[in-house]
Amino acid sequence: DAGITQSPRHKVTETGTPVTLRCHQTENHRYMYWYRQDPGHGLRLIHYSYGVKDTDKGEVSDGYSVSRSKTEDFLLTLESATSSQTSVYFCAISESILRQKTNYGYTFGSGTRLTVV
Amino acid sequence: GESVGLHLPTLSVQEGDNSIINCAYSNSASDYFIWYKQESGKGPQFIIDIRSNMDKRQGQRVTVLLNKTVKHLSLQIAATQPGDSAVYFCAETLGNTGNQFYFGTGTSLTVIP
Repeated sequence: DAGITQSPRHKVTETGTPVTLRCHQTENHRYMYWYRQDPGHGLRLIHYSYGVKDTDKGEVSDGYSVSRSKTEDFLLTLESATSSQTSVYFCAISESILRQKTNYGYTFGSGTRLTVV
Repeated sequence: GESVGLHLPTLSVQEGDNSIINCAYSNSASDYFIWYKQESGKGPQFIIDIRSNMDKRQGQRVTVLLNKTVKHLSLQIAATQPGDSAVYFCAETLGNTGNQFYFGTGTSLTVIP
């Protein structure tokens, strides 16, 4: 999607190894999010950021950490990958939560398919 | 919206017919809703949004209806085309800090040529 890039697009890793996924945006949006998408669960929030060095946990944050040292980059790290973390990971960005805006929804990246074996 | 189960609800329609996709959302305090379309191998894309002070909003070939009494949202697609085949899901938010949205599990729409 224009303005937001996820890397890598696909990754296979072994149980117990650390993995870092990268989200890069060129839109200068303040808010960035990491979601995972699994059958039967839809999209679930892992972590989000509301500014440089400002992050917070979502509903499924256990086993994940994030960092945001620059506006444009939001990194998701699986500290010690487990098979339950096999999923498709989506990054999203949002310009604002200002209620005056007509649309303050997300723009999503194309996703990273992670397989933990 | 939330639904429980391992399988997506599915909807098959003939090309040219109208489609109606439903979503039951969970929080009566949610004040903003979005419908997303997700094609295979891609990220979700915004289709249309609606605020809680509205009950209907129209876009190009799409209409969203909101019934707050029963916490129900629907997406109507007019003259459905093969390119409309995708998974559709609704998202709700309270508009709270962090702009967190809650997503339903989705409905898979297949358009039969």
